[in-house]
Amino acid sequence: QSALTQPASVSGSPGQSITISCTGTSSDVGSYDLVSWYQQHPDKAPKLMIYEVNKWPSGVSNRFSGSKSGNTASLTISGLQAEDEADYYCCSYAGSRSFMVFGGGTKLTVL
Amino acid sequence: EVQLVESGGGLVQPGGSLRLSCVASGFTFSSYSINWVRQAPGKGPEWVSYITSSSGTIYHADSVKGRFTTSRDNAKNSVYLQMNSLRAEDTALYYCARGSRGGYYFDYWGQGTLVTVSS
Repeated sequence: QSALTQPASVSGSPGQSITISCTGTSSDVGSYDLVSWYQQHPDKAPKLMIYEVNKWPSGVSNRFSGSKSGNTASLTISGLQAEDEADYYCCSYAGSRSFMVFGGGTKLTVL
Repeated sequence: EVQLVESGGGLVQPGGSLRLSCVASGFTFSSYSINWVRQAPGKGPEWVSYITSSSGTIYHADSVKGRFTTSRDNAKNSVYLQMNSLRAEDTALYYCARGSRGGYYFDYWGQGTLVTVSS
């Protein structure tokens, strides 16, 4: 069982927006603005999409955005495109003992 | 171009050992922390270990503590994961991932090396 809870799947049509939630606890998501999001296509390594809750790495589209409220972080993808279909994982710093914890992942299907 | 290349995976019996290597290029290796992250088939990633640029701080996940050891050689741009007393549940694709400057996210990942623990 993963430390952070994500919905198993979400779907949307091209051009629509979707949001993926990531629920943790006051020991991880709720205590630190250190949530990151990763996109993983089949048989590929994860790719950083969002870091420190709502910042974009160089080269990542601003169609991807992040936010956080309390113990729950969210990833929103606007203007869905076919190439956005992938698995998405959230990750949070959890203090020096647990260090980094991941969510179980959400499979995004673009209809 | 930042590159991380893992090697050393393979099939090993329960109780056995393996040593994974990660060779980095395209950046000043000695300035960055490195992590090992594993992903079991069909599962989400699991953070395994973290080592700072100078090896001054090393963390391991509770699931591998006492069995796995992480080290690095900045002269060789390499990080190592020594895995002992392997169990079936250690079966996974093992990635090395560069830590951000602040250390709290993974900005570049290798392609992974597969470890299978089975008799």
